[in-house]
Amino acid sequence: ETGVTQTPRHLVMGMTNKKSLKCEQHLGHNAMYWYKQSAKKPLELMFVYNFKEQTENNSVPSRFSPECPNSSHLFLHLHTLQPEDSALYLCASSQVGGLRSDTQYFGPGTRLTVL
Amino acid sequence: GENVGLHLPTLSVQEGDNSIINCAYSNSASDYFIWYKQESGKGPQFIIDIRSNMDKRQGQRVTVLLNKTVKHLSLQIAATQPGDSAVYFCAENTQGAQKLVFGQGTRLTINP
Repeated sequence: ETGVTQTPRHLVMGMTNKKSLKCEQHLGHNAMYWYKQSAKKPLELMFVYNFKEQTENNSVPSRFSPECPNSSHLFLHLHTLQPEDSALYLCASSQVGGLRSDTQYFGPGTRLTVL
Repeated sequence: GENVGLHLPTLSVQEGDNSIINCAYSNSASDYFIWYKQESGKGPQFIIDIRSNMDKRQGQRVTVLLNKTVKHLSLQIAATQPGDSAVYFCAENTQGAQKLVFGQGTRLTINP
């Protein structure tokens, strides 16, 4: 176990549904990330949060809405998704600050299927 | 599983042999490099990292080599075991940028 948990592990939803993915890190880190991993592309960074503040949105469509209520929890709210949004959504966390670039630790992912 | 649709480089080795997985990076300003292992149905798992002030680092059964001149990174796995079967990713980072840039991955298959 990496100390990063994600729920649910699997999710099937219709295009009109609203659902949320949850991530929790138990590592005391101050930064959290959402990535998308699909069958047709390498790992894609979606959002970055530092100290609960969003610092990067990598041109992600507005049907994906992140929320970071505190440094340990990260959500990804999903609304009106498309079938091409089906992918593995990975959460990661790291400790940032000072001169160090620290490793990102990943959760197991949520396998999302959009019908 | 993940990356099935990608044309991933594949490496097949006999159990017990050593494996060498290679990665080229493009940003000469990158100063921190990580190798991840991703097994089917799981998230990427940290294996080993190296900073640009080093050219070699060893872990348990793994060694990472960094050649900054040609911007090349390699992961050596000694005495490969069935549990080493996975997709291996390299990732690079530039100090202060916080953003990891991932390679496309190499699928390692172990033959009994």
